[in-house]
Amino acid sequence: AQSVAQPEDQVNVAEGNPLTVKCTYSVSGNPYLFWYVQYPNRGLQFLLKYITGDNLVKGSYGFEAEFNKSQTSFHLKKPSALVSDSALYFCAVRDGGAGSYQLTFGKGTKLSVIP
Amino acid sequence: DAGITQSPRHKVTETGTPVTLRCHQTENHRYMYWYRQDPGHGLRLIHYSYGVKDTDKGEVSDGYSVSRSKTEDFLLTLESATSSQTSVYFCAISEGPEGAYEQYFGPGTRLTVT
Repeated sequence: AQSVAQPEDQVNVAEGNPLTVKCTYSVSGNPYLFWYVQYPNRGLQFLLKYITGDNLVKGSYGFEAEFNKSQTSFHLKKPSALVSDSALYFCAVRDGGAGSYQLTFGKGTKLSVIP
Repeated sequence: DAGITQSPRHKVTETGTPVTLRCHQTENHRYMYWYRQDPGHGLRLIHYSYGVKDTDKGEVSDGYSVSRSKTEDFLLTLESATSSQTSVYFCAISEGPEGAYEQYFGPGTRLTVT
């Protein structure tokens, strides 16, 4: 079975400060990891993914995430937060093994960037 | 939204009535998914499809059925709607070999069962 934990329901950060949204995962095979963002009354938008290769992956809107195999983590980061980054963020994982079609999502973290 | 449309976008229905939600994609993707989103639960997979007439159950499939008679359309049916099925429903497609990579989501359907 695969699972994702986002330990913080809400993260508050001041505009201009660095932000981190935490994610840990559990999967039996090689993890494929994803971050999505959801703005109010909208669908989810893909931000970035880790499949293989460099542990630091860069994505849309200046976001990046670091894959840490030993800590089974995939935290989302941004050096300088914008008010427009305020949204709901979801981490997701799937087992990279063949025949595994299901993506498992965390429960989401609400990010509020304070002006 | 990666060429994905959902209809209707909003629906209010009564307990016990059948409801069908439609997902339509324009880019010939093989893999399609139906999720529901509820506060405190994130997104949970209802059913998915890996080709025409090839479907399988997800985590929360009870009370739901799906059909895919052509590549571009994936239908989700609530045979007899219940209040616990009040939710926002999202359709998605996926990229990559065997659909293993990122998923792209439609705009969602807000369903209220009274």
